[in-house]
Amino acid sequence: DAKTTQPPSMDCAEGRAANLPCNHSTISGNEYVYWYRQIHSQGPQYIIHGLKNNETNEMASLIITEDRKSSTLILPHATLRDTAVYYCIVRVPGSGGYQKVTFGIGTKLQVIP
Amino acid sequence: KAGVTQTPRYLIKTRGQQVTLSCSPISGHRSVSWYQQTPGQGLQFLFEYFSETQRNKGNFPGRFSGRQFSNSRSEMNVSTLELGDSALYLCASSLTGTGDGGNTIYFGEGSWLTVV
Repeated sequence: DAKTTQPPSMDCAEGRAANLPCNHSTISGNEYVYWYRQIHSQGPQYIIHGLKNNETNEMASLIITEDRKSSTLILPHATLRDTAVYYCIVRVPGSGGYQKVTFGIGTKLQVIP
Repeated sequence: KAGVTQTPRYLIKTRGQQVTLSCSPISGHRSVSWYQQTPGQGLQFLFEYFSETQRNKGNFPGRFSGRQFSNSRSEMNVSTLELGDSALYLCASSLTGTGDGGNTIYFGEGSWLTVV
């Protein structure tokens, strides 16, 4: 069901920027790209979302390509607490005309001291 | 502002029993959705409720059911538990529902169910 493709794992040195890519080549014009992360045994935490323009908040930046077929989540200064599984999702059609949220396998980011 | 609250946090049940999990959404949120997360299958959508009506459902057997109350609080029930039902069950809430692409969904911490 997932319409996104992410690398299964990535490493990042502490203090450096972590750049997590996501491919969503079949995204439609009105679908948003959302990013969540999940630390072991906890619920997914919302990070950021966007439609066309790049977005930034206190947690991260989201860069969406002009054709919207891919995006990159940027954690500007990764810390050990950023070690988690990061999910890139787009809304996919569900039953009854409503969309459901589908998660892929995500990217396991390991921040290294 | 309080987040999504799920109870109980951990529970152990025996095969054949049933279980009820509870979810209180963020104040003002009318949509509640439920998810099952297992190591083998990842995070899978169960169903969504909005204004006490189920309007979206995933591919799960009828043993999995839910309901939503007038205050938007929701419960999910699993009957005749099987070993494979052991999982983290997550509840999420949003203002208008998963059908609105620009509408952020917020998750609770989940309920860990172990079936023995």
